[in-house]
Amino acid sequence: GAVVSQHPSRVICKSGTSVKIECRSLDFQATTMFWYRQFPKKSLMLMATSNEGSKATYEQGVEKDKFLINHASLTLSTLTVTSAHPEDSSFYICSALRLLAGANVLTFGAGSRLTVL
Amino acid sequence: GENVEQHPSTLSVQEGDSAVIKCTYSDSASNYFPWYKQELGKRPQLIIDIRSNVGEKKDQRIAVTLNKTAKHFSLHITETQPEDSAVYFCAASRGSTLGRLYFGRGTQLTVWP
Repeated sequence: GAVVSQHPSRVICKSGTSVKIECRSLDFQATTMFWYRQFPKKSLMLMATSNEGSKATYEQGVEKDKFLINHASLTLSTLTVTSAHPEDSSFYICSALRLLAGANVLTFGAGSRLTVL
Repeated sequence: GENVEQHPSTLSVQEGDSAVIKCTYSDSASNYFPWYKQELGKRPQLIIDIRSNVGEKKDQRIAVTLNKTAKHFSLHITETQPEDSAVYFCAASRGSTLGRLYFGRGTQLTVWP
């Protein structure tokens, strides 16, 4: 079946540094991917829609300069948390849309846990 | 934007009993309502979904009902088993922007053997 891979699964960084998280669709092409953030024991919050070859669309309240999204190919979207601070510590999950049997199916990655010290 | 409310936040049931989780949504244009199961440390997995042109959908022990007028939808799990224990999320989106899902806060379901 369709697999969406995220890397790294866990990352610890110092405050002020930038961290890049990759989301790859392994066996299909994804023109659209989505990035979510999940706090402990909380829901998934949609951050942005990543569109291949164009700018990402951010949800209200999400800082685009803070969370840089690049979707340079049909199989890869990256989320870069710039100048990370402890409050950016969270679980980040991507998802990708795949057209399967005439229906759009959404598949999630396994998530990346970011800890900012 | 869309606002999805989910209740209860925690639910404990005895094995074999039924479990019901309820969600409401605010955007009348939403027409796609999936339910996800997330086990600890794992990715959300789609368990069932419903579109606004139907009122109910069943898949073995799982069923979802939708009331468009009242803007609420519910997940029903019958004959619960310990392996059903997980966090369940409801979500809503407009079909034209599938993937832009707005999630409820989740329900921690615990099934006791």
